[in-house]
Amino acid sequence: DTAVSQTPKYLVTQMGNDKSIKCEQNLGHDTMYWYKQDSKKFLKIMFSYNNKELIINETVPNRFSPKSPDKAHLNLHINSLELGDSAVYFCASSLTGAGGVNYGYTFGSGTRLTVV
Amino acid sequence: AQSVTQPDIHITVSEGASLELRCNYSYGATPYLFWYVQSPGQGLQLLLKYFSGDTLVQGIKGFEAEFKRSQSSFNLRKPSVHWSDAAEYFCAVGARGTDKLIFGTGTRLQVFP
Repeated sequence: DTAVSQTPKYLVTQMGNDKSIKCEQNLGHDTMYWYKQDSKKFLKIMFSYNNKELIINETVPNRFSPKSPDKAHLNLHINSLELGDSAVYFCASSLTGAGGVNYGYTFGSGTRLTVV
Repeated sequence: AQSVTQPDIHITVSEGASLELRCNYSYGATPYLFWYVQSPGQGLQLLLKYFSGDTLVQGIKGFEAEFKRSQSSFNLRKPSVHWSDAAEYFCAVGARGTDKLIFGTGTRLQVFP
């Protein structure tokens, strides 16, 4: 029943490891996003996909690679994890209406990544 | 470029008191404006949104916000705060033709009994 679900909820890993976070939405939305929330609660967009096509790719290290196998899924793979990658990562989805109106995001509950 | 400013980092109110959280935006055309709430350990939940039309919008949980173009503001209000309203509140701005939302830095609301 969860509209936007992310797994895992918590992820603790060592520096240098590779990890993935998965996201799925069952709302029929056409656009999905990854946002990073730092320790000061600041939210910054990383990527967005519309119907499996990459639309937004902000200035993010290329160690971060999103992948959208279909419009209901958007995964985030992170290579060679660094201490500074520790944050909460949120997946979100939205529906784009006529004239390019974005009706607002539905967020997942977040994945708290801790790199040690 | 769009930007959002939430001048108050932290606000404390007593339960039952009225609340106003400030949000100022910068955008050349008519923006799309949103307020989200984030409870501890949770994702963000949409409270309300403004696209066009009536400048006073009603949201969930008894919240409302007023769009004032002359002041570039979209302040969130609630007449009587409940202890369960304690959370982080984010204002966000978007624009026609882009799916990207720019978020403010958030206002943490603390409610005392």
